[in-house]
Amino acid sequence: DAKTTQPNSMESNEEEPVHLPCNHSTISGTDYIHWYRQLPSQGPEYVIHGLTSNVNNRMASLAIAEDRKSSTLILHRATLRDAAVYYCILRPPEWRGNQFYFGTGTSLTVIP
Amino acid sequence: NAGVTQTPKFQVLKTGQSMTLQCAQDMNHNSMYWYRQDPGMGLRLIYYSASEGTTDKGEVPNGYNVSRLNKREFSLRLESAAPSQTSVYFCASSDRDRGVVPFGSGTRLTVV
Repeated sequence: DAKTTQPNSMESNEEEPVHLPCNHSTISGTDYIHWYRQLPSQGPEYVIHGLTSNVNNRMASLAIAEDRKSSTLILHRATLRDAAVYYCILRPPEWRGNQFYFGTGTSLTVIP
Repeated sequence: NAGVTQTPKFQVLKTGQSMTLQCAQDMNHNSMYWYRQDPGMGLRLIYYSASEGTTDKGEVPNGYNVSRLNKREFSLRLESAAPSQTSVYFCASSDRDRGVVPFGSGTRLTVV
């Protein structure tokens, strides 16, 4: 299964944009790129996902490199409530098993 | 619409005792997953069920058994609990089109 690589930790000032990178050089053409986050003492929650094109939603934007070997989660204005561990996950299609493996994630600290 | 429901939320076991963690989803999802999360670590996949009637091992299956009772329910059993199984356990579910994967709120298990 394809793996992802993320920095262990990042810091951002409150109300500044945050760019969280993820490398996935062995991604398969049918793998979706998912981002989840986990706030302290809570279960993971969905942030955003995409396949090839950049995606936007209420929470964030996802920028996917043209060769799909990397992606970036963009939080447009970080708030204190965005302090969490962010996980970049590759999700294969169901015919390949539909497994959903977490890596080590990036711990985001937001500085007031 | 409750999403993914896990019971119990907390449990303390003595070494050698057995117990079953329950998980149910009301979204008609095909796939269900069990993860464990040790302190300061990411989530690791224990078992998953791609569809009703099937189960497969994940990264850390030793010491656990699972049952996909029906489409809604996926249980995780510890036959003889060990202190190394002290962890927070999360259940999740997903549908076929690789969209959002909702997670339960977790079961915090301590084995003494």
